[in-house]
Parts: sequence; structure tokens; C-alpha cells
Amino acid sequence: GDSVTQMEGPVTLSEEAFLTINCTYTATGYPSLFWYVQYPGEGLQLLLKATKADDKGSNKGFEATYRKETTSFHLEKGSVQVSDSAVYFCALSESGSARQLTFGSGTQLTVLP
Amino acid sequence: SQTIHQWPATLVQPVGSPLSLECTVEGTSNPNLYWYRQAAGRGLQLLFYSVGIGQISSEVPQNLSASRPQDRQFILSSKKLLLSDSGFYLCAWTGDRLRNSPLHFGNGTRLTVT
Repeated sequence: GDSVTQMEGPVTLSEEAFLTINCTYTATGYPSLFWYVQYPGEGLQLLLKATKADDKGSNKGFEATYRKETTSFHLEKGSVQVSDSAVYFCALSESGSARQLTFGSGTQLTVLP
Repeated sequence: SQTIHQWPATLVQPVGSPLSLECTVEGTSNPNLYWYRQAAGRGLQLLFYSVGIGQISSEVPQNLSASRPQDRQFILSSKKLLLSDSGFYLCAWTGDRLRNSPLHFGNGTRLTVT
């Protein structure tokens, strides 16, 4: 079955540091890939997505590139801020349907001033 | 604009007591609705989804149930809570008429069963 593996957290960085959160996936077909973010005490919000190989999703300074050859969708940001502290979830959907989303276990990011 | 409301925000219930969590969506019609559970240190687990009034699909066998009495109302219930039901419950909706329609989540309910 489909699965998503994220790097173990928690991740702690200083403000303006470079961020990478690794995400790899296993799927039988050609899934769509997503990053969701969960700020403290809130639900999840879609951060970015990519629907086919070599697509780059980007939003709020975050980027992730759909790499079919390495089955990866790593999240990056060049300079993190304290306000980026949150839990980040990688997810995939084989069909594009939300009912078939498979989530990773989440990575807690803490950015220190 | 569309909004999703979920309540209560936190809940502490004893083992064996009933549960009712409510979720409503505003600003859209005929949404697809979802209940997820997020256990500590783990990802999201889809519990139920609904494509219309009275239509509920269960993803995981458990002592929870869901109902959709109105188009934009989704309720998660239990007759008798277990300790293992503790977790963070999230309601979500999509239009889902288009492929890759994103999930829109409520702020969640933190349930502690004691």
C-alpha cells in the first residue's frame, strides 16, 4: 500500500537558518504530493502541492520538488522565522481524492529567535 | 468565504461516558466531510468520510460512529469511550469535484479520556 516517511523530529533551528524536512514515499502509481502545516492549537492547512514529476510547489518561502526518480518531496526554506514553528506533514494521494490521502507522521519544527 | 467550525476545543471525559463532537461548514454546499484522529507523535488517521446527507463511510473499525444529519453538519459520536480514544480529532471538508482539491481543516478537539 501507499506510505509516506518523514524525517524524525523534533527539529530545532535558529532564525534565518536553512530548513530541509525530508519526505519519501511509496506508491504504485503516480501520486499527487502535498505538504500540510499545523500551527499550535490549530488544524492543518495546505502549504503546497505538486501533481506530477518535476513539479515544484511553493508558498510562503517554502518549496518542494516532486522527484520521481528518488520518490521524494523534501520541504525546504532558505531562511526560517520564529513564526514557522509548527508541525509539518507530508502526504500523498494516488487518485487526487482527499479521501485517499496518506499522511506522514509529521515533523515538529521549532525556530528559536 | 468558506469556514469550518469544530467544537468543543478541548474535552475531558471519563471512560465509559458518551461522546459527541460537532463540525459545521459554512459558505459551501454539498461538501465532502471527514473526521480524522491524530494520536500523539503519529500522523493522521482517517476515521470517517461522507459525500452527502446520511452517507457515511468508515475507514477503521472502532467504537466510534459518525452521522451527517444536514448537508453541512458532521457529528462524531461514541456510546462508551475507551482510554484509547484519547487524541486530537480533526474535521475537514473538500469540494472534491476536482482532482487534488485540498482539505480544509477545523481547529480540532483535544479529547482526553481518563
